Amino acid sequence: DTAVSQTPKYLVTQMGNDKSIKCEQNLGHDTMYWYKQDSKKFLKIMFSYNNKELIINETVPNRFSPKSPDKAHLNLHINSLELGDSAVYFCASSPIGENTEAFFGQGTRLTVV
Amino acid sequence: AQSVAQPEDQVNVAEGNPLTVKCTYSVSGNPYLFWYVQYPNRGLQFLLKYITGDNLVKGSYGFEAEFNKSQTSFHLKKPSALVSDSALYFCAVTSLGYQKVTFGTGTKLQVIP
Repeated sequence: DTAVSQTPKYLVTQMGNDKSIKCEQNLGHDTMYWYKQDSKKFLKIMFSYNNKELIINETVPNRFSPKSPDKAHLNLHINSLELGDSAVYFCASSPIGENTEAFFGQGTRLTVV
Repeated sequence: AQSVAQPEDQVNVAEGNPLTVKCTYSVSGNPYLFWYVQYPNRGLQFLLKYITGDNLVKGSYGFEAEFNKSQTSFHLKKPSALVSDSALYFCAVTSLGYQKVTFGTGTKLQVIP
């Protein structure tokens, strides 16, 4: 059983489109995250949720909107896609607490053309 | 504010030789330190962490890391490198009460047969 699963794995879309990436975890964790990894492999947190409540909202354009319908799911919706949004997006989850390690999904490679 | 530095973009080591991947950090308060590994086209996998206690931490796949408070370092080590250890390694830091984890820029480890 995959612990943290994201869909789709690859996403190619045109500029201006709206797209969503879905994430589900079956680990029973209370905290979920979205990270962005750019072409240089730099990893940066975008959002973090604890039990469906947004706790971290980094300096991300408001075209990016996370939604957590329940604590096992954290979806990412992106409006009006731009070329610079091309990256790999990782979902992750962890138990509550700063000293807990995160479990990552396999990533969604988004290419905007 | 907190930060992590991984001074080497790439480390090359011969198979069977010991390896070290360097990490230094800066936090207010006591650090929680993590190492993750990323294989090509995969998500990050947790290797080990330092929270408190013994400065030498042992983790998955024979890796270990030494916490050095005076040098603010948390270098990753392995006594004998395997070709299969070739991957991208990330150091990360956070601290009590600070909900965001900061990742280093990653170090590519190349183990040469």
